[in-house]
Amino acid sequence: AQSVTQLDSQVPVFEEAPVELRCNYSSSVSVYLFWYVQYPNQGLQLLLKYLSGSTLVESINGFEAEFNKSQTSFHLRKPSVHISDTAEYFCAVSEFGGFKTIFGAGTRLFVKA
Amino acid sequence: DAGVTQSPTHLIKTRGQQVTLRCSPKSGHDTVSWYQQALGQGPQFIFQYYEEEERQRGNFPDRFSGHQFPNYSSELNVNALLLGDSALYLCASSLQTGSYEQYFGPGTRLTVT
Repeated sequence: AQSVTQLDSQVPVFEEAPVELRCNYSSSVSVYLFWYVQYPNQGLQLLLKYLSGSTLVESINGFEAEFNKSQTSFHLRKPSVHISDTAEYFCAVSEFGGFKTIFGAGTRLFVKA
Repeated sequence: DAGVTQSPTHLIKTRGQQVTLRCSPKSGHDTVSWYQQALGQGPQFIFQYYEEEERQRGNFPDRFSGHQFPNYSSELNVNALLLGDSALYLCASSLQTGSYEQYFGPGTRLTVT
């Protein structure tokens, strides 16, 4: 069975500092990997995804994540955060040929001025 | 291009009652998934509908049922409501032939008293 573990429930960081949100997954088959962001009182928005090919994927707003198959990880990074990045971030996995997506418990990123 | 819409936004029900939540997928999408997000947790997969049939189901009791209409919109029904059913219910749409990328609606906040 699939599972997703987000290793930090909360990450406080100062504005313009780098940040890494950690995600590990477990699956017996090949997977697709995703990061979603949720702002207060809103639904989830796709931030970036890994389907195949290059293991480093980037979003339009400066986030990047690297798929590491040997460590079964998909950590999210940003070299310099903004106040507006304050939100809940969810790592998710879907198995090849499957229909459901499994989400981690989320990491709350809090950017301080 | 309208995104995923859900109604109602908020709902308050009494224990034992029944509730119906509605979802209209993003234009062009043919697949609808439902998730339950309890406070402080990640979304939990309830089920997915494609071609008006339930294609896969998560670990939820039969009190949770759904329907997909020919226009791809969907309903989630919950019978015999329990206090523990209080949560944000998220609808996500996608393309059957797509890359597992899901677009989420803003959710329906259900409170059971």
